Amino acid sequence: KNQVEQSPQSLIILEGKNCTLQCNYTVSPFSNLRWYKQDTGRGPVSLTIMTFSENTKSNGRYTATLDADTKQSSLHITASQLSDSASYICVVSLEYGNNRLAFGKGNQVVVIP
Amino acid sequence: GAVVSQHPSWVICKSGTSVKIECRSLDFQATTMFWYRQFPKQSLMLMATSNEGSKATYEQGVEKDKFLINHASLTLSTLTVTSAHPEDSSFYICSARVLAGAPYYEQYFGPGTRLTVT
Repeated sequence: KNQVEQSPQSLIILEGKNCTLQCNYTVSPFSNLRWYKQDTGRGPVSLTIMTFSENTKSNGRYTATLDADTKQSSLHITASQLSDSASYICVVSLEYGNNRLAFGKGNQVVVIP
Repeated sequence: GAVVSQHPSWVICKSGTSVKIECRSLDFQATTMFWYRQFPKQSLMLMATSNEGSKATYEQGVEKDKFLINHASLTLSTLTVTSAHPEDSSFYICSARVLAGAPYYEQYFGPGTRLTVT
């Protein structure tokens, strides 16, 4: 079973609308949780990094939240743009194992005009 | 910001041949680099961890004789897929790790290399 589960698997939204992506993880103890954006055919690009003591972090129109008690994180995209079409990957860094990363499968977001 | 490059960005080769993929950290030094493989709609799967000047550490199920990794300098790691077969066709991504400030490392990913074996 994957240690990092993301939902929804895919999502279509209208340009200008907001959306929220979910990430549940079972990894414990963890060092930090990251959200990456991966455009088709490209490598992942970091959006946010949060340690267990942080509840929220923003990067422009992207806002990530973290609830370490329930082991849930979300990524909120505000006023979506066509360029937001991508896969958003939730990644948890383990506290042990030399900070090994556990990857989710990603939320595939398609923004349509 | 830190940039990781990969070359080539895509390659098509015949079955049985070998292919080398380069991963470079352009504006920083990385003692540790990672190689991942990603199939369509799947997570990135760690293949091996590469430390400069020492042998790579391979994940379970990854054949070290088939996927040769060399980390000759602090800015260059190479992955050679030997005797490639169609099932090796995939998207290969490297990343380089730097200490971002306690308590965590930052990991920068390359743009990926699309390998197609015919």
